[in-house]
Amino acid sequence: GESVGLHLPTLSVQEGDNSIINCAYSNSASDYFIWYKQESGKGPQFIIDIRSNMDKRQGQRVTVLLNKTVKHLSLQIAATQPGDSAVYFCAECDYKLSFGAGTTVTVRA
Amino acid sequence: DSGVTQTPKHLITATGQRVTLRCSPRSGDLSVYWYQQSLDQGLQFLIQYYNGEERAKGNILERFSAQQFPDLHSELNLSSLELGDSALYFCASSLGSPNTGELFFGEGSRLTVL
Repeated sequence: GESVGLHLPTLSVQEGDNSIINCAYSNSASDYFIWYKQESGKGPQFIIDIRSNMDKRQGQRVTVLLNKTVKHLSLQIAATQPGDSAVYFCAECDYKLSFGAGTTVTVRA
Repeated sequence: DSGVTQTPKHLITATGQRVTLRCSPRSGDLSVYWYQQSLDQGLQFLIQYYNGEERAKGNILERFSAQQFPDLHSELNLSSLELGDSALYFCASSLGSPNTGELFFGEGSRLTVL
């Protein structure tokens, strides 16, 4: 079946460095992609989204890149902070929102 | 605070039992979604309702059912519970379809089946 997946289950980053979290998707019909952040004991929280007619979108300290040719999505976090420690999920949407397995980001002081 | 309220926050029950999880969406949101998150698993889509009607179905077991009421709150019913049903169950809401904007998630109901 079609699925959304992440390349790495964990990522350790030095505080102040930039983080890159990658995601591969396989559903060609998906036209909307979202990154969510889930902190311990909480529900997922929206970070940034991008539609299939775009290849880059920037937010505050975050950038999402979409490469439809290879079905790849990435989230870049600039100047990573301790508060960025969380599990990050990419999600793709055709008629329903499907999540990947998540990448656990740990920020080292 | 996302504005989505889920009750109960924690629930412990035995195998074979039945439980009901409740979700109140954000004010104004018409769509409600249910997701299951097991240990070391991502979020598995179960079902979506829009304005009282079922809109999309995911990997929801036949032992599970849901509905959305006229006041837009939703309930997820889990019956004949098994150990493997232990998980976090999240409800989310949005104004319309999932591809038209952000889903707002509640803080989840943690179900433990003993």
